[in-house]
Amino acid sequence: GAGVSQSPRYKVAKRGQDVALRCDPISGHVSLFWYQQALGQGPEFLTYFQNEAQLDKSGLPSDRFFAERPEGSVSTLKIQRTQQEDSAVYLCASSPVTGGQMGAFFGQGTRLTVV
Amino acid sequence: GESVGLHLPTLSVQEGDNSIINCAYSNSASDYFIWYKQESGKGPQFIIDIRSNMDKRQGQRVTVLLNKTVKHLSLQIAATQPGDSAVYFCAETDNFNKFYFGSGTKLNVKP
Repeated sequence: GAGVSQSPRYKVAKRGQDVALRCDPISGHVSLFWYQQALGQGPEFLTYFQNEAQLDKSGLPSDRFFAERPEGSVSTLKIQRTQQEDSAVYLCASSPVTGGQMGAFFGQGTRLTVV
Repeated sequence: GESVGLHLPTLSVQEGDNSIINCAYSNSASDYFIWYKQESGKGPQFIIDIRSNMDKRQGQRVTVLLNKTVKHLSLQIAATQPGDSAVYFCAETDNFNKFYFGSGTKLNVKP
């Protein structure tokens, strides 16, 4: 497809379960961002990759959150031992240039519900 | 951390009228700003951006105004259409890597 693709679209996890969320950015895009969006709130920055390098992970809320982009294309956001407060929509965005200049293209997100 | 907020959480306008959505930011070092539109169940969509060396930028039916003195950003939508109904976010950055989003304004366009 032409856009940013995220999977799964919806995920229900039991508290304590590990989850992995996948992002397929637009082909050739250098920059990749992950955001967390709670219901009724704006997206909150989690982490930023330039190619395979994770240049900023200051937004990851705890060491239970881990992101990778080993080959500079597909990225995975992993959450270990999920907790109810992790329930949110996780958005991935990519950009053809370094950083977010010119904005970024967002995927539809993965809605995570922890029960 | 930085704070990007909006004055009005919900704005209702008549179809054909102009809309103005406001945003305040707190980081005086922010030098790049973006307005995004988010429809229900979708990711944010880029509308228009502006750099801090400008005070106005126009697109198709949209205009962004930046007042650095009072750290205020606005989005003007001309001849608002039903398809403009969505939540609008402003986002700011001082390094192009980490963006801070406001909490959003919901725009309702009445036919």
